[in-house]
Amino acid sequence: DIVMTQSPFSLPVTPGEPATISCRSSQSLLHKNGYTSLDWYLQRPGQSPELLIYLGFNRPSGVPDRFIGSGSGTNFTLKISRVEAEDVGVYFCVQVLQTPWTFGQGTKVEIK
Amino acid sequence: DVYLVESGGGLVQPGRSLRLACVGSGFPFDDYAMHWVRQVPGKGLEWVSGISWDSKNRGYAESVKGRFTISRDNAKSSVYLQMNSLRLEDTALYYCVKDGGSWGQGTLVTVSS
Repeated sequence: DIVMTQSPFSLPVTPGEPATISCRSSQSLLHKNGYTSLDWYLQRPGQSPELLIYLGFNRPSGVPDRFIGSGSGTNFTLKISRVEAEDVGVYFCVQVLQTPWTFGQGTKVEIK
Repeated sequence: DVYLVESGGGLVQPGRSLRLACVGSGFPFDDYAMHWVRQVPGKGLEWVSGISWDSKNRGYAESVKGRFTISRDNAKSSVYLQMNSLRLEDTALYYCVKDGGSWGQGTLVTVSS
């Protein structure tokens, strides 16, 4: 199975400031079709996960452009350019290259 | 909008069975693979099982292989998870997930004597 290592575990942030979360995979997530099989989610308290980024850097419609996914191969980053109060929750990465899908441990973002 | 509605969770004794169901709407159900992912409250996420659009390919986590069976009925826009020989460690919130990133609200399964 592909192992996903995410950091940090906890991230206190100041509204208006940037925040960065890292995710590393134990093997390349580059699919033979050329896409990177890495998604990012936000799970707000008491809610189901919400897709923020798919295939490494794509934002679904409705996701604010302050969420930026980047990276390739085995190293990936989610950046929030300017954190807002509504961004609190647990962020996690997931590889969807192969089953079993495997998830990062999660990063809890909270407002300072 | 995509909607996924799970049902079938509940309290069950160890060794018993439960069948979860998920109905999808707002998208062409038979175009997408579907998955079940579970989460122990306050803990991380574990992929449980997945099924291709045509049911030809099915996969299971090692932790449930031989006990759980995934199936789908495209005519009913539904995917199912038959869970047999349930264990205490199967207690979790079970989410139905559409390939491409939409999740249901989950259905809680509690295995307890």
